[in-house]
Amino acid sequence: DIQMTQSPSSLSASVGDRVAITCRASQSISSYLNWYQQKPGKAPKLLIYAASSLQSGVPSRFSGSGSGTDFTLTISSLQPEDFATYYCQQSYSTLYTFGQGTKLEIK
Amino acid sequence: EVQLVESGGGLVQPGGSLRLSCAASGFTFSSYSMNWVRQAPGKGLEWVSYISSSTSIIYYADSVKGRFTISRDNAKNSLYLQMNSLRDEDTAVYYCARDWGQRAASYYFYAMDGWGQGTTVTVSS
Repeated sequence: DIQMTQSPSSLSASVGDRVAITCRASQSISSYLNWYQQKPGKAPKLLIYAASSLQSGVPSRFSGSGSGTDFTLTISSLQPEDFATYYCQQSYSTLYTFGQGTKLEIK
Repeated sequence: EVQLVESGGGLVQPGGSLRLSCAASGFTFSSYSMNWVRQAPGKGLEWVSYISSSTSIIYYADSVKGRFTISRDNAKNSLYLQMNSLRDEDTAVYYCARDWGQRAASYYFYAMDGWGQGTTVTVSS
């Protein structure tokens, strides 16, 4: 199975900050990488697909980059509603796998 | 709008069985592959199983292979997960999620673009 490793596991930041979350795959996955946001008690929400494509309706302050094994989710200017947990997920293999998550907390 | 509603969760003893259902609406269910994803209490997301639109392709995570069976009824717009030989570690919120593909050049990129609210399965004696 392809292992996905996110860093950091948790992150404290302030409203207006620029933050970046990284995701590393155990083998090359080309651009088959998605990012999700999950708030407590809620289902995940798709933010970015194919490594850098913004899902419809998602604010443009979210962006994704990378290919191969290293990927980054960037939030350009944090808003109060962005404090949540973020997961990467690979769809290169038919056995999908997620990263362990990055919890973004208010400083 | 994609709407997915899971049901069937509950408390079950180790070794027991449970059948989860997911009712779909707002899209042409028979045209999409579907997934089950679970989340243990306080833990991250774990993909469980995938079924293609025609049921011809099915995949399972190693952790549930041989114990869980995914199925669907396109006439009823419904997805199912039959869970047998349940273990403590199967305790989780179970989500159904739509598998959505976008074409770029000669490739299709897949993601889970619609999720239900989840149903809770607790395995405990």
